[in-house]
Parts: sequence; structure tokens; C-alpha cells
Amino acid sequence: AQSVTQLGSHVSVSEGALVLLRCNYSSSVPPYLFWYVQYPNQGLQLLLKYTTGATLVKGINGFEAEFKKSETSFHLTKPSAHMSDAAEYFCAVTSGSARQLTFGSGTQLTVLP
Amino acid sequence: DTGVSQNPRHKITKRGQNVTFRCDPISEHNRLYWYRQTLGQGPEFLTYFQNEAQLEKSRLLSDRFSAERPKGSFSTLEIQRTEQGDSAMYLCASSPMGVISNQPQHFGDGTRLSIL
Repeated sequence: AQSVTQLGSHVSVSEGALVLLRCNYSSSVPPYLFWYVQYPNQGLQLLLKYTTGATLVKGINGFEAEFKKSETSFHLTKPSAHMSDAAEYFCAVTSGSARQLTFGSGTQLTVLP
Repeated sequence: DTGVSQNPRHKITKRGQNVTFRCDPISEHNRLYWYRQTLGQGPEFLTYFQNEAQLEKSRLLSDRFSAERPKGSFSTLEIQRTEQGDSAMYLCASSPMGVISNQPQHFGDGTRLSIL
């Protein structure tokens, strides 16, 4: 069965600093990996996805993630944090015959002025 | 593309009552998913439709839960005899047919259910 672990339920960074949100996965098959962002009282918005091909994936709002098979990781980064990045971030992997998403427990990102 | 629409946005009800939520997926999206999200957790998969056929159900979907997608367009999720533990955000997502790896799920804003 697939699973996702997000290290750090809360991360705080200063505005302009590097953002690093960690995600490790477990999958018995080649994984499809996703990062979603959720703002309060809203649904999830796709930031980026990895399916096949290039292991460095670029997404919206300046975010990117690198798929490292040997480390079973898919960490999310952004070079310079903006106040508007404050939100909850979820890493997910597809699983099951329906390819439903299995999510991590999320990381709440706080951006300090 | 008007996005996935969910109604109502909020539902407050007394324990033991029945509730029904509606999801309108993006038009022409054949795949439809329901998830449940409790406070401080990631969403958990409940059930999956491909067109009108319900093809997958999670063990989380107890007998009190039922979902339909009668004409392959909108879907409803009904909870009978609600319990305190049903309080959560219920999220709907849809995606088009095609190579599934290239078809990410698009989420609605959810229905937040509060049981008094």
C-alpha cells in the first residue's frame, strides 16, 4: 500500500527565505506524486506533479520539487517565500485501481514579515 | 472551465439527522472522487465514480454513507443517522478520462459538516 510522510507539521520561514517542505513516500509501484496547497476554508489547488521523465518538476507560484527515487522523497522548495505562500501544503501519491490520492498529514507554512 | 462546485458550503445538523451533499464536477470530467478531511489531517479517500458507475469504495464508507452519480454528471453523498465523528470537510474532485497520470484531480471548495 502507498503512504506519504510529511516531516514537520508546522514550518515557519521569514519573507524572502528559502522554503523547504519535506515529503517521503512509500509505493510498491512507480509513483505518481503531487503537491497541493490549501488555503483556509477552501479546496486543494494543484501546485505540481511528477509522473515520468524529468525528476525536477516546476509548478505554479515559483515552487518546484525533485523526485529522488533512491531516497523515496519528493521535497517541495521555493527560493524566496512570499507572505501569500502562507497556507497548508499536502504531498500525495496515487494508489489503488481508481488511482485515488493518498495524502500526507500536511505541513502548515507560516511566513514571517 | 467553471471548476468543481459543491453545495452547500456549510451544513450544521443535529446528531441522528440525515444530510445530503451535492458535487457538480467540471463538465466532461468522467472521473469523480469523494474525500473526507478532518481537522489537522490530509483528505482521505471515500469513493470513486467513473461516469455513473461506482467502482471503488473505501472501508471508511460505512453503511450509513451512500453516494450516487445517476447520469454520470453531478454526484450526491448522503449520510444517514449522523454521528459526532462525521464532522469533517467533505471534498469532491474530478478529472477527465485519458492517461490517468496526466490527469490531475481538480478539487471543489468542500462542504463543512458540523454535528451538534
